[in-house]
Amino acid sequence: DQQVKQNSPSLSVQEGRISILNCDYTNSMFDYFLWYKKYPAEGPTFLISISSIKDKNEDGRFTVFLNKSAKHLSLHIVPSQPGDSAVYFCAALNTGNQFYFGTGTSLTVIP
Amino acid sequence: DTGVSQDPRHKITKRGQNVTFRCDPISEHNRLYWYRQTLGQGPEFLTYFQNEAQLEKSRLLSDRFSAERPKGSFSTLEIQRTEQGDSAMYLCASSLDLRQGELEAFFGQGTRLTVV
Repeated sequence: DQQVKQNSPSLSVQEGRISILNCDYTNSMFDYFLWYKKYPAEGPTFLISISSIKDKNEDGRFTVFLNKSAKHLSLHIVPSQPGDSAVYFCAALNTGNQFYFGTGTSLTVIP
Repeated sequence: DTGVSQDPRHKITKRGQNVTFRCDPISEHNRLYWYRQTLGQGPEFLTYFQNEAQLEKSRLLSDRFSAERPKGSFSTLEIQRTEQGDSAMYLCASSLDLRQGELEAFFGQGTRLTVV
């Protein structure tokens, strides 16, 4: 049962443009959400997080938006850079402090 | 502190053999997680510890899997009688209590297990 879903397995964006990565979840008990970036043969690296009491959190080029009613969050990267090319995972946290991860979206930023 | 470290980075073993992986978390982190990731999937939760107590185990963690964190510092994950389906990347992460302060978990680089 996949409680966190990333329906786009891949995304290609031109350098300088905006990248939008989407994530949907099914469990209304999730109250914290995180985005991780992963390069091949490395562990995931934390990018940005958002609490369910907020609808937006911004850190430099990265902004996460949360729509609780739609059970949807998105990560915006602007401007996109070639070094952003990686697999991006969203993760949701329940009250048991267990992370549930999506299946990932592979982002390619074209120079 | 150099972050979360895992050892070994790669392990190739024959089916039926036992393997043990080690994770050294960030020193002040009281929580430690084990995840497994297969190709094309996101990390799947296996188990987590708060200090030395194992608080939750996934149903993915069959009786061939055992994890320990004897002194609340490093942790080991042992797989007995390995099967080809155990081939995966095993990830360890650590964090402070996620209900206090910064809410993020730091991952190690993983141990890639190949069962032949």
